[in-house]
Amino acid sequence: DTAVSQTPKYLVTQMGNDKSIKCEQNLGHDTMYWYKQDSKKFLKIMFSYNNKELIINETVPNRFSPKSPDKAHLNLHINSLELGDSAVYFCASSQDSRRGEQYFGPGTRLTVT
Amino acid sequence: LAKTTQPISMDSYEGQEVNITCSHNNIATNDYITWYQQFPSQGPRFIIQGYKTKVTNEVASLFIPADRKSSTLSLPRVSLSDTAVYYCLVGGSSSASKIIFGSGTRLSIRP
Repeated sequence: DTAVSQTPKYLVTQMGNDKSIKCEQNLGHDTMYWYKQDSKKFLKIMFSYNNKELIINETVPNRFSPKSPDKAHLNLHINSLELGDSAVYFCASSQDSRRGEQYFGPGTRLTVT
Repeated sequence: LAKTTQPISMDSYEGQEVNITCSHNNIATNDYITWYQQFPSQGPRFIIQGYKTKVTNEVASLFIPADRKSSTLSLPRVSLSDTAVYYCLVGGSSSASKIIFGSGTRLSIRP
């Protein structure tokens, strides 16, 4: 059984489009995260939700909007996609928002042309 | 924000013990130190976490000196499958604590 799953795995789209990435965890964790990994492999946290409440909101363009319908799901919607948004986006979850180890999904490779 | 510094890359051979050191000079009092492993085209995988002294699990050991300004991940008897990028990060002292991944150490294991 997949612990943290993301869809789609690959996403190719054109500049200006709006797209969403979905994430689901079946671990019963309270906290979920979105990370962006660029071509240089730097992994940067974007958002964190704890029990559907936003607790970390890094400096990302407001074109990025996370949505957590329940604590098992954290989706990422991106408006007006730009070339610089091309990256691998990872979803992760942890038991709580403090010291817990994080479980990462397989990633979504987004390519904006 | 607690920033971490690691060597960019390391090489070793199968069967050797590998030690990767991470510096985190401004670690907060309640921050934990966590190490992750990442293979190409996969998400990072948790290896080990500690607060002070030494922690050991089935895959690695983590050594943390008393001042906690650095930590060393020790991988005993590495194999080719240990070739990966290893990230050290500190954080978690509060719910809003920003968890920052460093640039990682690319470990290459040779036969």
